[in-house]
Parts: sequence; C-alpha cells; structure tokens
Amino acid sequence: KAGVTQTPRYLIKTRGQQVTLSCSPISGHRSVSWYQQTPGQGLQFLFEYFSETQRNKGNFPGRFSGRQFSNSRSEMNVSTLELGDSALYLCASSLGQDVDFGPGTRLLVL
Amino acid sequence: SQQGEEDPQALSIQEGENATMNCSYKTSINNLQWYRQNSGRGLVHLILIRSNEREKHSGRLRVTLDTSKKSSSLLITASRAADTASYFCATPLRDFGNEKLTFGTGTRLTIIP
Repeated sequence: KAGVTQTPRYLIKTRGQQVTLSCSPISGHRSVSWYQQTPGQGLQFLFEYFSETQRNKGNFPGRFSGRQFSNSRSEMNVSTLELGDSALYLCASSLGQDVDFGPGTRLLVL
Repeated sequence: SQQGEEDPQALSIQEGENATMNCSYKTSINNLQWYRQNSGRGLVHLILIRSNEREKHSGRLRVTLDTSKKSSSLLITASRAADTASYFCATPLRDFGNEKLTFGTGTRLTIIP
C-alpha cells in the first residue's frame, strides 16, 4: 500500500511568518493526527481529524490549527511562527488500531 | 505531559548482542505499541500488545506487558547495525471521550558494528 505522504519534507521560515503543512493519508484511512517532535518535549500530540471534523486536540496555542478535506487529506497551519516551533511535524493516518506515520516535515524557524 | 517513560534513555551495544528497553506508563490501557524511528524520520510501527496479552513475538522482537506494574519491555535479539534507531512506546490515552496516542520519551539505541 502507498504510505502516508507529507509535504514539504523540509522548510525554513522566519519568525512571524506562517506555514502550512500537508498530509495525505493512506487510502481508506479517515483519521489523521498531527504530532510535534522536539528534542526537549519529545512527541507531543497536536490534534486529530476524522471526517473533516477535529475530534481531539492537544495542549497547543491557537496559533496551531488544522483542517481535513473530504478526501481525508489534512493540512496544519502555524501562524506567527516562533523559534520554538522548530520541530519535526509528523502526521499519522489510522483506521481502527492500524496507525501509519508519514516521514515528517522538518521545520526550521530562524 | 508524557504518558510513558522509556528506560534507558540511551543504549549502546555490540552487534549480535540483545537489547532490552523498558517502558512505564501511568494510566490503565487497552493496548501498548512500540515504534521505531530512524534519525529524524517518521515512525515505523513495530508491534502492538493488548492488555490481556503478556508476551508477543515478531521476528527478532519480543514484547512483554505487565499491567499490574504498568510496564512493558521490548527485546531485540541478535542486534544488527540497522537496528540503530530510537524506540518509543505509545499508549492510547482517553481524553474527553476520545483517544489519542501518547508517546514515551524514547530510548536511543546504537548498535556498534
């Protein structure tokens, strides 16, 4: 099966800018979750979308938002970037207990 | 906050030796999963063990689960250089009626050729 794809793979932004990351789940998977991974905080859950609705949300500020489209593809947006937003952003798609992760988008904020 | 904690944080062993990593978690679970992550890349699902299982095998991997101690271990036998990676345990955490997968802090495993 084709895996979860994330675009772009690498991104450099400056403080104050905004960024949109994209995730295409495995065909048939309707749930998409986003995670932030940093050396200091480890893997932190951002949010989960299911059938175009946010079903679950982690403890991140409102600058972090997301959405899901009718084809289950998901985007996450971070506005007013801060240096601390530099991280690997991972997307996971799931069907039941079957969870698959994408390769991640590495974001560097300068 | 982290649901799980892995121990040790880092482990270096010679190729061919066995590697054991431990995970402790805080709340009751219905399953526990182990993932591998190669340097800065995505997570690869290794194995899922349900709460009513005590041990599970998959190739060179052996996972145990002790729900009374809220702990799990991952054993990799006959390690290879390609096993060098970070290993995470993950548990579903129910939050306001919805489940989210929460990860431990990870064990960084280095296999020395």
